[in-house]
Amino acid sequence: QLVESGGGLVQPEGSLRLSCVASGFTFSSYEISWVRQTPGKGLEWVSDIGRSGKTTYYAESVKGRFTISRDNAKNSLFLQMNSLRADDTAIYYCARWDAYCNRTTCYAGFDVWGQGTTVTVSS
Amino acid sequence: DTQMTQSPSTLSASVGDRVTITCRASQSISSWLAWYQQKPGKAPKLLIYKASILESGVPSRFSGSGSGTEFTLTINSLQPDDSATYYCQQYDSLWTFGPGTKVEIK
Repeated sequence: QLVESGGGLVQPEGSLRLSCVASGFTFSSYEISWVRQTPGKGLEWVSDIGRSGKTTYYAESVKGRFTISRDNAKNSLFLQMNSLRADDTAIYYCARWDAYCNRTTCYAGFDVWGQGTTVTVSS
Repeated sequence: DTQMTQSPSTLSASVGDRVTITCRASQSISSWLAWYQQKPGKAPKLLIYKASILESGVPSRFSGSGSGTEFTLTINSLQPDDSATYYCQQYDSLWTFGPGTKVEIK
């Protein structure tokens, strides 16, 4: 399972660091993403990190402001969020990306999700 | 960036009905499409991957089809437990979710 923490109320232009701790699977074997959901709205992929942590990807809306990282020794994923704006207000989920191919098909999907942590950006 | 659209945004149907949700991609994504179900206050749940393959444990009344830019999610014989919001998601180029379709039971 995945368990997020670190959400809260922060003022515009402030910073926050989210954490996600994994258990029950080999954390270092999987890519992990952050996906957010604004109140009453849909899902938005935010950032992804490769298994070793060397490869990272960001949505245009957060590029330059958010930094994803991981500590495989501690089964932990992080999202450092700087220069926060009101439109960053959302529930932030960490989600495991599992993708592989066998002889018959290719499997891929966000198959394990945390319960989410809420970030509110407001003065 | 690949943009995803879904229609309808909301649908209301009766138990036992067959319902279809359409998802369109702004460019071809081959079959690199997944469908998720989300219930209020819960995280999304993977239903279908590679456009048409059912995730383990998902009831067989769910099915997916399509390739390229147009995809469908079909629920045969709608059940009360299927009341939820459904999202498509492309993974051809990074990841993008559709805006969601809320399915209500009459």
